Amino acid sequence: DVKVTQSSRYLVKRTGEKVFLECVQDMDHENMFWYRQDPGLGLRLIYFSYDVKMKEKGDIPEGYSVSREKKERFSLILESASTNQTSMYLCASSLSYTEAFFGQGTRLTVV
Amino acid sequence: AQSVTQPDIHITVSEGASLELRCNYSYGATPYLFWYVQSPGQGLQLLLKYFSGDTLVQGIKGFEAEFKRSQSSFNLRKPSVHWSDAAEYFCAVASNAGGTSYGKLTFGQGTILTVHP
Repeated sequence: DVKVTQSSRYLVKRTGEKVFLECVQDMDHENMFWYRQDPGLGLRLIYFSYDVKMKEKGDIPEGYSVSREKKERFSLILESASTNQTSMYLCASSLSYTEAFFGQGTRLTVV
Repeated sequence: AQSVTQPDIHITVSEGASLELRCNYSYGATPYLFWYVQSPGQGLQLLLKYFSGDTLVQGIKGFEAEFKRSQSSFNLRKPSVHWSDAAEYFCAVASNAGGTSYGKLTFGQGTILTVHP
């Protein structure tokens, strides 16, 4: 089975902190995604990576950056966390011609 | 740009009743289409997918969906709902146009399904 693992289920961070969310997949997928999920807004794409060191901005990239140094790992970085970044963050991976597989999510609270 | 609209934010049905969840997409060609389900506190699980061929696709848990190109729709159906189907359902479209956006996945806003006994 494909496994997508997010490093934390719950995180609490302070305003202004630099926050790293880590995601690892074990199926050699070329695509990896970071989404943010908020009630009534569905899943909004933050960043998308289609290969190592390659990335594209999604719909809401402001305040975020990403890193993909190895194929299996895709990190989301909040450079200076703010309270409006309190949300559920979901990582996913896929081959381009198949469905995406999701991690369990990280619920981030910024106080 | 590709987009997905799920017109119904919340649907309530009685157990045993039939279900249809609506999904409309915007995309320049025939897209890859998906339905996912999310139970509370969980990640997303794939219910079914459409890439090409037969426009009626069968999925897990007794769900099916029909691709209608003329209506840009991909509605999800189930003939008889079970209490365990209560969850949030997401429709999604993936780019298949090639280039760096190949496989980029865009979701709708989600539909919350409540099942009454």
